[in-house]
Amino acid sequence: DGGITQSPKYLFRKEGQNVTLSCEQNLNHDAMYWYRQDPGQGLRLIYYSQIVNDFQKGDIAEGYSVSREKKESFPLTVTSAQKNPTAFYLCASSIWDGAVTDTQYFGPGTRLTVL
Amino acid sequence: AQKITQTQPGMFVQEKEAVTLDCTYDTSDQSYGLFWYKQPSSGEMIFLIYQGSYDEQNATEGRYSLNFQKARKSANLVISASQLGDSAMYFCAISFGRGGYNKLIFGAGTRLAVHP
Repeated sequence: DGGITQSPKYLFRKEGQNVTLSCEQNLNHDAMYWYRQDPGQGLRLIYYSQIVNDFQKGDIAEGYSVSREKKESFPLTVTSAQKNPTAFYLCASSIWDGAVTDTQYFGPGTRLTVL
Repeated sequence: AQKITQTQPGMFVQEKEAVTLDCTYDTSDQSYGLFWYKQPSSGEMIFLIYQGSYDEQNATEGRYSLNFQKARKSANLVISASQLGDSAMYFCAISFGRGGYNKLIFGAGTRLAVHP
């Protein structure tokens, strides 16, 4: 079955540590995205990538970094510079043909807690 | 600036009845897409339905339909014949082109509870 996988499902981090969240898709989608969701709120875009080896900052990129070495993979690193990293992180992917109705499909999410 | 407003923080409906979840948006773009997603307690965002701004007919997908009123800038989701499994958070989102990619802006969501 085609889909998006994220791991781990739950992640605990000590203050001052970097952690990396995994996102893999087998939908053959060109574009991939990372969102952050805080309790009682909608999603906010962290980073996005339309093609391999290229990615762009979203609205809240400070304290995060990404890479896109393979079409299927778009890992997100939460660095120690992120002041309030406890949140639910969702990865998404979509085709990219420039239409505003290109649908983004989401993975199951990773819940990060800083201890 | 683009904005999505969902004015109903919580709604409840009796099983097998229909329910309408409200969504209004603000944009100066002529071309945009409107989406609805469902988020159950597990956390995954599940795509339900979309409507393009130039589509004249309202979109439908099974028990879901999107009541699109362009002049009023509203895109309400109608769920017919509610089921217990429909209990979840529902998010409305607008997509528009910016800097070579489609930006998706989400509303704050509506929590739907379906009662037996």
